[in-house]
Amino acid sequence: NAGVTQTPKFQVLKTGQSMTLQCAQDMNHEYMSWYRQDPGMGLRLIHYSVGAGITDQGEVPNGYNVSRSTTEDFPLRLLSAAPSQTSVYFCASSFGGYTGELFFGEGSRLTVL
Amino acid sequence: AQSVTQPDIHITVSEGASLELRCNYSYGATPYLFWYVQSPGQGLQLLLKYFSGDTLVQGIKGFEAEFKRSQSSFNLRKPSVHWSDAAEYFCAVGPNFGNEKLTFGTGTRLTIIP
Repeated sequence: NAGVTQTPKFQVLKTGQSMTLQCAQDMNHEYMSWYRQDPGMGLRLIHYSVGAGITDQGEVPNGYNVSRSTTEDFPLRLLSAAPSQTSVYFCASSFGGYTGELFFGEGSRLTVL
Repeated sequence: AQSVTQPDIHITVSEGASLELRCNYSYGATPYLFWYVQSPGQGLQLLLKYFSGDTLVQGIKGFEAEFKRSQSSFNLRKPSVHWSDAAEYFCAVGPNFGNEKLTFGTGTRLTIIP
């Protein structure tokens, strides 16, 4: 019972490099989202998706791209990493409709030098 | 716009003592309210939620929370804490429609001392 799986768990990038954080869920959830967690700022929503082929921006979308080609996967792309994107990133999913229960991955810690 | 304030950044309590974590929200309509817990190095886990009805809601691990509309608060309580309750606790508010677009507070870190 994998739940929400994020890879990689740790990553160090240089400024200007690109990378993709992977997120996969095996619960057939319609809703998926990406948050970043920074000290003293809680979790802030980056992008979310209410189903395959549908994505929308959250509170802090700049510098990030997403796509949702399948129900299971919701990758987060950093096209040109900046030190301000150093953070812990969490992927979360839920059944959709409205239950309020997000299921979180274990997080991906990204450092941009 | 919806927002959540958790005024306590860090709280320390003795094992066996009671606990109350504060949460105040701002939302234009009837909110959906949540408490999540994050253990070190882990993702967040739902403790409890309030949608409607009884304003005192019970959650997992012996936690409860009370919704007080007049005070715009949703404080989390536990009568007797255990060392395993040491974690970070997040209050969140969401719209009562559509999707799980939650707004989280900045969190309260709970330390338990013997």
